[in-house]
Amino acid sequence: GAGVSQSPSNKVTEKGKDVELRCDPISGHTALYWYRQRLGQGLEFLIYFQGNSAPDKSGLPSDRFSAERTGESVSTLTIQRTQQEDSAVYLCASRGGNRVVYEQYFGPGTRLTVT
Amino acid sequence: QQQVKQSPQSLIVQKGGISIINCAYENTAFDYFPWYQQFPGKGPALLIAIRPDVSEKKEGRFTISFNKSAKQFSLHIMDSQPGDSATYFCAASTGYSSASKIIFGSGTRLSIRP
Repeated sequence: GAGVSQSPSNKVTEKGKDVELRCDPISGHTALYWYRQRLGQGLEFLIYFQGNSAPDKSGLPSDRFSAERTGESVSTLTIQRTQQEDSAVYLCASRGGNRVVYEQYFGPGTRLTVT
Repeated sequence: QQQVKQSPQSLIVQKGGISIINCAYENTAFDYFPWYQQFPGKGPALLIAIRPDVSEKKEGRFTISFNKSAKQFSLHIMDSQPGDSATYFCAASTGYSSASKIIFGSGTRLSIRP
């Protein structure tokens, strides 16, 4: 597609439920990132996938958070046993290029509300 | 050493004025410095980027100034308009021609007063 897409755009869930967020990166982009952004706050790095390398999971806040990526395509971020503090916008970004410059582009985000 | 420090946290500028946002870094291996603009309810969008082999890059009203020796770079918005009101993030990464990890600053909330 033309850009990074994310689904769903909005998700409301009850505390304790599991949620799965999806990201479709730009075709050909080898790197994929997940970030969390709380209201009015900055970008909190969660996880980074780069090609076939082991993912950088250093930003995951707890073991309730996990992410998978199939090759260089779609990624899913799973949050188990959601808590109210998980409420935020979850942003996905992909990075790739034409061997001259590698630019990173963000998706529109998934707004997660835990009630 | 991987951090990118951004200031100010928030900024109010009169319409027509110059908005200036500053960033500093430690890792001398960084060789790609993009700026992102984020409007409420939207994902950040790539605005302009620079490599350290040039001291300035201009695109329309937006200019990046780069000081390699001081390890600082800044975004200047000339003739600031209310439509420029947004949050701006600076960033840096190693490997200009690669998809290496990008490190973001903490963001600056810019408000342009009419």
